[in-house]
Amino acid sequence: DGGITQSPKYLFRKEGQNVTLSCEQNLNHDAMYWYRQDPGQGLRLIYYSQIVNDFQKGDIAEGYSVSREKKESFPLTVTSAQKNPTAFYLCASQSRQKSTDTQYFGPGTRLTVL
Amino acid sequence: AQKITQTQPGMFVQEKEAVTLDCTYDTSDPSYGLFWYKQPSSGEMIFLIYQGSYDQQNATEGRYSLNFQKARKSANLVISASQLGDSAMYFCAMREAVNSGGYQKVTFGTGTKLQVIP
Repeated sequence: DGGITQSPKYLFRKEGQNVTLSCEQNLNHDAMYWYRQDPGQGLRLIYYSQIVNDFQKGDIAEGYSVSREKKESFPLTVTSAQKNPTAFYLCASQSRQKSTDTQYFGPGTRLTVL
Repeated sequence: AQKITQTQPGMFVQEKEAVTLDCTYDTSDPSYGLFWYKQPSSGEMIFLIYQGSYDQQNATEGRYSLNFQKARKSANLVISASQLGDSAMYFCAMREAVNSGGYQKVTFGTGTKLQVIP
């Protein structure tokens, strides 16, 4: 079945540690996105990538880094520079072929800093 | 300025009644798309409906319809015959180009929490 997978579902991190969240899609989508969601809030864009080996900062990129070495994969690293990383992280992908196509979301990773 | 504004933090609706969730947007791009998503307590984002800026007709998908008023820059979601399973957060979102290179960006509103009462 085509879709987006994120792992792990839950992640616990000690302060000062870097952690990497996985996002994989088999929808053959060019564009991929990372969002952060805080309790009771909407989604805020962290990074996005329209093609392999290229990505752009979103609205809240500070303290995060990404890579896009393969079309299927768009991992997000939460670095120790991110002051308040506890949140729900959602990955999404989208076809660039159809302007009417929606973003498809993964199930999310809930990150908690201990 | 907010790109997407949802002014109703929470709404209640009686089961089987219709409900309208408000969304206004702001863009100078003539070509844009508007989306509504549902987010149950599990956290997954479920696509509901899409409206393109050049679409002449209001979008409909089953019990969901989008009341698109372009001049007023509003894109309200109407849910007819509410069901208990409709209780969730609902997000309005807008896709627009960010530069001439074909890059597009989606901005989300802060959401409306809908609770359906039996």
